[in-house]
Amino acid sequence: DQQVKQNSPSLSVQEGRISILNCDYTNSMFDYFLWYKKYPAEGPTFLISISSIKDKNEDGRFTVFLNKSAKHLSLHIVPSQPGDSAVYFCAASRWGNRDDKIIFGKGTRLHILP
Amino acid sequence: EAQVTQNPRYLITVTGKKLTVTCSQNMNHEYMSWYRQDPGLGLRQIYYSMNVEVTDKGDVPEGYKVSRKEKRNFPLILESPSPNQTSLYFCASSPTGTENSPLHFGNGTRLTVT
Repeated sequence: DQQVKQNSPSLSVQEGRISILNCDYTNSMFDYFLWYKKYPAEGPTFLISISSIKDKNEDGRFTVFLNKSAKHLSLHIVPSQPGDSAVYFCAASRWGNRDDKIIFGKGTRLHILP
Repeated sequence: EAQVTQNPRYLITVTGKKLTVTCSQNMNHEYMSWYRQDPGLGLRQIYYSMNVEVTDKGDVPEGYKVSRKEKRNFPLILESPSPNQTSLYFCASSPTGTENSPLHFGNGTRLTVT
């Protein structure tokens, strides 16, 4: 059973426009969510996170929105830049539970078009 | 420079020939973990370690062993590799393994078992 779902394997966006990457989760016990970015031949790097007590977290061009009732989160990148072309992984975990794992989605490949 | 170092980056081996992938971190992190990334499956956790001499199974531990004799090192051991273990492997660490300490990943080891 896939607990964290990224239903779009890939997404193409024009440079300068907004990129929106979506993530759905099934386990209502998740209360901490993260986005990682991965370039080819490199490991994933942490991008931004949000806890369930918030519905929005912003860091520069990156904003993550959380809709707990819909069990949905999204990553907005505004404006999109060529260096944003990468694979983005959504991840979820339970706050305060050291034995729980971080569950990753399958990833979405973002292409920023010139 | 703070980093997670994996070796080797690329490895081709034959079925049944024991191998070890090393992982070392220089950030004094308590938590370390191994993931494998496969097309269409995202990142799946193999084993993790909350601290020295403490290891636990992740989602896909079959065919793998780990050890954590010292804080900085967390080797992944394949006693008898099989072709279904052909994959891209990532080692990761974090200060505590909890929600507010995102993972730092190594650059990956691409393993091919023929």
